[in-house]
Amino acid sequence: GNSVTQMEGPVTLSEEAFLTINCTYTATGYPSLFWYVQYPGEGLQLLLKATKADDKGSNKGFEATYRKETTSFHLEKGSVQVSDSAVYFCALGGSTLGRLYFGRGTQLTVWP
Amino acid sequence: DTAVSQTPKYLVTQMGNDKSIKCEQNLGHDTMYWYKQDSKKFLKIMFSYNNKELIINETVPNRFSPKSPDKAHLNLHINSLELGDSAVYFCASSPRTGDQPQHFGDGTRLSIL
Repeated sequence: GNSVTQMEGPVTLSEEAFLTINCTYTATGYPSLFWYVQYPGEGLQLLLKATKADDKGSNKGFEATYRKETTSFHLEKGSVQVSDSAVYFCALGGSTLGRLYFGRGTQLTVWP
Repeated sequence: DTAVSQTPKYLVTQMGNDKSIKCEQNLGHDTMYWYKQDSKKFLKIMFSYNNKELIINETVPNRFSPKSPDKAHLNLHINSLELGDSAVYFCASSPRTGDQPQHFGDGTRLSIL
């Protein structure tokens, strides 16, 4: 079946630290991969996406590379800020899947 | 202009009552969704409509009934509310089903007393 596994949180970092949130997936066919971010009291927002193997999605200093060989889409940022504190969701989708499958979310807290 | 708007933002009610949540999108999208997010932030899809037609109906109690009067609106009616229905409910839309990014509303926080 289709599923997404994310590292469990919470993740707590100091400002300017390096961030990695691991995400692996199981899917049929050739899915697209997404990272969404949810700030407190808000809905999810698309952070970045990749539609095929070896694609790199990037936005606001965050990056993730679609690795078909390891079925992974890890989220990274070189220097986090307090304003990055949020819940991050990895998701997979595709025209053959007909919907998005979300991971359980990872809470990130960044301290000044 | 808000792309996906939900009302109300907060809903506090007693067990056994019936309530509705409304959702509207002004993006011209064909597909709309309802999600339930629990206190641990786990997001579960409930329903999906494509151009007013139900296409996803996950294992959701019959007390939950979605209604899509047109493709810009997807409302959620809940009968006989239970304590376990307390959650944040999100509406979302996408241009079509599948791999398109989804646009989310800000959520409706439902609290059952």
